[in-house]
Amino acid sequence: DSGVTQTPKHLITATGQRVTLRCSPRSGDLSVYWYQQSLDQGLQFLIQYYNGEERAKGNILERFSAQQFPDLHSELNLSSLELGDSALYFCASSVDLGEQFFGPGTRLTVL
Amino acid sequence: TQLLEQSPQFLSIQEGENLTVYCNSSSVFSSLQWYRQEPGEGPVLLVTVVTGGEVKKLKRLTFQFGDARKDSSLHITAAQPGDTGLYLCAGAPGGNYQLIWGAGTKLIIKP
Repeated sequence: DSGVTQTPKHLITATGQRVTLRCSPRSGDLSVYWYQQSLDQGLQFLIQYYNGEERAKGNILERFSAQQFPDLHSELNLSSLELGDSALYFCASSVDLGEQFFGPGTRLTVL
Repeated sequence: TQLLEQSPQFLSIQEGENLTVYCNSSSVFSSLQWYRQEPGEGPVLLVTVVTGGEVKKLKRLTFQFGDARKDSSLHITAAQPGDTGLYLCAGAPGGNYQLIWGAGTKLIIKP
């Protein structure tokens, strides 16, 4: 158990809908990262927050947004969903830019 | 743009054989991490190497960081079915830069 929690574990929705994925980092970690992993692919970095502020952006679509709250949990919002958004979404946390600890992921299926 | 290339992309071998996977770049990293990911789960950190030429052992797994800190290798001795998974390397460029992720090596160990 990495200490990072993600909910929900599975999410099935329709094209055009909006969903919110939630992540709670390990106790004491200030950085939260979001990644997307499509079937049999590597990790695609989406975005990083550090202590409530956006620190870095990767290949995140404009339809996607995220935030980190004062209690350090983070949410990833995906809107106007398309079939191609179906993937595993992982959250990771770290003290800063060091070793990352991953949650179990949310499997999103867009029908 | 910094890149980390992992090879091979896919490897399927019999139980008991030895194998080596590689992680190469033209860039220097302050440290490099190896993760293993099992299907449907989040990546789990195996090791971090920091010093050029460093060798770390984790049971049957041996990790080496190149002298110039541009490449790394993972050697598995007497592979077992439990070693099956996606092996990812991630390099830390240093400063305030994000981890650079390799695309992964998918390893299957057949009993």
